[in-house]
Amino acid sequence: DVVMTQSPLSLPVTLGQPASISCKSSQSLVYSNGDTYLYWLHQRPGQSPRRLMSKVSNRDSGVPDRFNGSGSGTDFTLKISRVEAEDVGVYYCMQGTHWPPYTFGQGTKLEIK
Amino acid sequence: EVQLLESGGGLVQPGGSLRLSCAASGFIFSDYAMSWVRQAPGKGLEWVSTIRVSAGSTYYANSVKGRFTISRDNSRNTLYLQMNSLRAEDTALYYCTTQNFDYWGLGTLVTVSS
Repeated sequence: DVVMTQSPLSLPVTLGQPASISCKSSQSLVYSNGDTYLYWLHQRPGQSPRRLMSKVSNRDSGVPDRFNGSGSGTDFTLKISRVEAEDVGVYYCMQGTHWPPYTFGQGTKLEIK
Repeated sequence: EVQLLESGGGLVQPGGSLRLSCAASGFIFSDYAMSWVRQAPGKGLEWVSTIRVSAGSTYYANSVKGRFTISRDNSRNTLYLQMNSLRAEDTALYYCTTQNFDYWGLGTLVTVSS
């Protein structure tokens, strides 16, 4: 199974400052068709997860452009250019290239300092 | 608007059974694979099972294989998860989610305890 490793696990950020979350996979997430099935999800406290990004960097509808995904192969990053209060919660990366099983990172908890 | 509404959760004793349902609307259900993902209290997300458009293709996490069965009724736009031989470690909020995990329900809570 592909292991997804996120860092940091806890991320205190000042409002208006940038934030960055790393996600590393135990093997390359490039599929045979050339696509990379790496997703980012956000779960606010008490809410269901919401997908933010698909295929590394494709922002979902309604996701602010302050969110940017990047990376390739086994190393990926989610960056928030200026953190807002609504960005608190847990961020998960997950892979859909080598499934079953789909696998998730441990989650990164973003909080406001 | 896509909506996924899970139901069927509850308190069950170890070794017992439950059937979860997920009523889907706002998209052509029969055109999409569907999955169940669970989240134990205070923990992260764990993929449980996926069913392709053709109900003959089903996939399970090792932790539930042989105990859980995923199915779908395309005429009712409903996804199911039959859970047998439940264990304490199956206690979690169970989410229904669409192909590529772009839509999620609110979840239904399963508690396995004596």
